[in-house]
Amino acid sequence: QVQLVQSGSELKKPGASVKVSCKASGYTFSSYAMNWVRQAPGQGLEWMGWINPNTGNPTYAQGFTGRFVFSLDTSVSTAYLQISSLKAEDTGVYYCAREYCSSTTCYPPDYWGQGTLVTVSS
Amino acid sequence: EIVLTQSPGTLSLSPGERATLSCRASQSVSSSYLAWFQQKPGQAPRLLIYGASSRATGIPDRFSGSGSGTDFTLTISRLEPEDFAVYYCQQYGSSWTFGQGTKVEIK
Repeated sequence: QVQLVQSGSELKKPGASVKVSCKASGYTFSSYAMNWVRQAPGQGLEWMGWINPNTGNPTYAQGFTGRFVFSLDTSVSTAYLQISSLKAEDTGVYYCAREYCSSTTCYPPDYWGQGTLVTVSS
Repeated sequence: EIVLTQSPGTLSLSPGERATLSCRASQSVSSSYLAWFQQKPGQAPRLLIYGASSRATGIPDRFSGSGSGTDFTLTISRLEPEDFAVYYCQQYGSSWTFGQGTKVEIK
């Protein structure tokens, strides 16, 4: 069965870096884009961008450029989100979510990781 | 960027009642790339509806979606106890945006 399993919660100090992993199984990794979504405490869902599983080319949404890096290790079917120079406002749950687009049609994310809580506090 | 505005912010209803949730887009959503998600506390979002009106796999038929262009609706025909949650609309395709959410709470 399809699974996206994310790494565990992180507690970091301001200015530090964090790397969140998302390991995929149960499907062909290269067939689905991987998106990242942030949810601040008590808030809604915010799209961060996506990474092309074939080229490794990332696309970042507004507000997520500079300190955010998406990457892949296709040998282990895993996507990564790295955030540098952490700030208190980066605190939240980070989700990975797969997306499929054919040549004519796109579909919304049908499988999500369980979420990784990143807390930034001194 | 397409902005999605959901209303109402909170819906207070009793089990068995009908819920009608609205999602309005700031510009036309292409190819009806509009989805609805359900999220419960501590859980990832769950896909309910895609393409504005198609139910995702395993979603009960009490959930239905309608609309096109800039106005979309999620209807839950008869609320079950497990349906009390937060609901988000999303436009997808070349980029994504989410509405701010509607909380369906027990009256």
